[in-house]
Amino acid sequence: DGGITQSPKYLFRKEGQNVTLSCEQNLNHDAMYWYRQDPGQGLRLIYYSQIVNDFQKGDIAEGYSVSREKKESFPLTVTSAQKNPTAFYLCASKMRATDTQYFGPGTRLTVL
Amino acid sequence: EDQVTQSPEALRLQEGESSSLNCSYTVSGLRGLFWYRQDPGKGPEFLFTLYSAGEEKEKERLKATLTKKESFLHITAPKPEDSATYLCAVEGSGNTGKLIFGQGTTLQVKP
Repeated sequence: DGGITQSPKYLFRKEGQNVTLSCEQNLNHDAMYWYRQDPGQGLRLIYYSQIVNDFQKGDIAEGYSVSREKKESFPLTVTSAQKNPTAFYLCASKMRATDTQYFGPGTRLTVL
Repeated sequence: EDQVTQSPEALRLQEGESSSLNCSYTVSGLRGLFWYRQDPGKGPEFLFTLYSAGEEKEKERLKATLTKKESFLHITAPKPEDSATYLCAVEGSGNTGKLIFGQGTTLQVKP
């Protein structure tokens, strides 16, 4: 089955902890994206990567970090520097030559 | 600054009652306008991409249209299974794939 997988589905974090959210795709897509969704707000871009070993900050990158060591994987680390990390996190990917992004099922992160 | 505004925030319809959702945008150099459907707790599901004013696309009971300042998602004779949040997004020039999203319209269709 081709698609985008995110894990875990639910994640709980204590104050001061770093946590890593997984995003994997087997669609052979070049570009990958991380968004954050808060209630009543649109999706906001955290980081994106158009090719392996390269990534750029989005609009709300503070407190987050990413890596892109493999084409199919784009993990997101939520660091303790992120002051309000409770949100729904969505990963997306697309072919470089096309415009449409396809989304994974999301990870809901809750800070206890 | 690129911006997307969707209206209304919420819409309640009776089954079979047609209506339209609005997406107003300002962007420097529109590369594409996208409509997605999102069910509660799930990732957005792609519906349509529109590229230029006058373009229209249809899928089952949904029809998306585009002008230079806004897009409409027309829902004809909706069914309860059309209940979801509909998201609009734009990509400006630059070929980065950066999408600017509106806050969404939550549609509820009652039987």
